[in-house]
Amino acid sequence: DQQVKQNSPSLSVQEGRISILNCDYTNSMFDYFLWYKKYPAEGPTFLISISSIKDKNEDGRFTVFLNKSAKHLSLHIVPSQPGDSAVYFCATKDTTSGTFKYIFGTGTRLKVLA
Amino acid sequence: GAGVSQSPRYKVAKRGQDVALRCDPISGHVSLFWYQQALGQGPEFLTYFQNEAQLDKSGLPSDRFFAERPEGSVSTLKIQRTQQEDSAVYLCASSLVSGSQETQYFGPGTRLLVL
Repeated sequence: DQQVKQNSPSLSVQEGRISILNCDYTNSMFDYFLWYKKYPAEGPTFLISISSIKDKNEDGRFTVFLNKSAKHLSLHIVPSQPGDSAVYFCATKDTTSGTFKYIFGTGTRLKVLA
Repeated sequence: GAGVSQSPRYKVAKRGQDVALRCDPISGHVSLFWYQQALGQGPEFLTYFQNEAQLDKSGLPSDRFFAERPEGSVSTLKIQRTQQEDSAVYLCASSLVSGSQETQYFGPGTRLLVL
């Protein structure tokens, strides 16, 4: 059973507009979340993270929002640029099972149209 | 080098063949992770090293998979008697410290195709 879910496999946005990528998780004990961006034939690149003690973290054009009660996080990209076209993964560190594992969603492919 | 490197980048193996995948982490990074990424999926955790100690191998799918990091730097993931279901991209990641809020840096991956 997927513990981290990205229900939108793809998203298309016009250049300059806002991109919103969503992620849901099942375990309320998860307390640290990350977003990664992946270009073809490259490994994922860290983008931004958020700890559960916050509900928002901002870094330039990228903002992550965390809604703990809904077990939902979202990544906002404003303004979107063609170079943002990539696959975006949300991930969490599983601190609940005594392992060192990170759990990734299945990814959302973002296409920013010029 | 500046980043995590992996070799080979591509590997084609015949079913039943053994393969070895190499990861060179960023110098000085304590933590090293291996992931398996199937087509259309996110990376799935395989195993974790802190220096030379393999602290977590809970994600290894079978005893055909074996990983080592004998000197706490370079790591090798070995797959014995490869099967078609082993076809995937194998990603390595390293991080400077081990902790609840570490940032992992990924290599480009090794794409394994088992025929």
